[in-house]
Amino acid sequence: GENVEQHPSTLSVQEGDSAVIKCTYSDSASNYFPWYKQELGKRPQLIIDIRSNVGEKKDQRIAVTLNKTAKHFSLHITETQPEDSAVYFCAASIMGDNNDMRFGAGTRLTVKP
Amino acid sequence: DSGVTQTPKHLITATGQRVTLRCSPRSGDLSVYWYQQSLDQGLQFLIQYYNGEERAKGNILERFSAQQFPDLHSELNLSSLELGDSALYFCASSVGLARPDTQYFGPGTRLTVL
Repeated sequence: GENVEQHPSTLSVQEGDSAVIKCTYSDSASNYFPWYKQELGKRPQLIIDIRSNVGEKKDQRIAVTLNKTAKHFSLHITETQPEDSAVYFCAASIMGDNNDMRFGAGTRLTVKP
Repeated sequence: DSGVTQTPKHLITATGQRVTLRCSPRSGDLSVYWYQQSLDQGLQFLIQYYNGEERAKGNILERFSAQQFPDLHSELNLSSLELGDSALYFCASSVGLARPDTQYFGPGTRLTVL
């Protein structure tokens, strides 16, 4: 089955700096890669996703890049703000009617004011 | 608010007991997923149901079971509880046939086993 590895496990940046979180996956058939943000004590919320037919996707300060050949994808947050502090999870799955999604272990991002 | 509801919000019980967690998916969603999140840990996939039938199984213990009812709500049953079962249990739902099939999470049930 799919195995998703996520790095780093913790990341601390200064407000205004950029943050990058990287994930690798094992199943070359995976073609859907969502990212979730989980604030302390709250539910994971989808912030951005990318399909395998796209190399990059942006939404304001957030972007995700995908390298299918290397089987890795990354989340980029620019101009970080204290409210970006949270745990971020990447995930990988194969689109279809058997949505067996696997999550990375998470990255705790702290943005220092 | 994702539209996924879970009850109860908190649950405190003793070792050896049995509890039932309930999840109602978003309107129109046919798939329900259950996840366990221990303190400072990632999301461990337990089980998925689609339109009443089990579709995928993850790291679910034999002491745990789940089902999805005709009205599409789902229940996760945890029995012979151990201290290590203390965790946040999330339910997520998705349309079930969409490509991609984005999952939306409920607020979670915090289970404490004393």
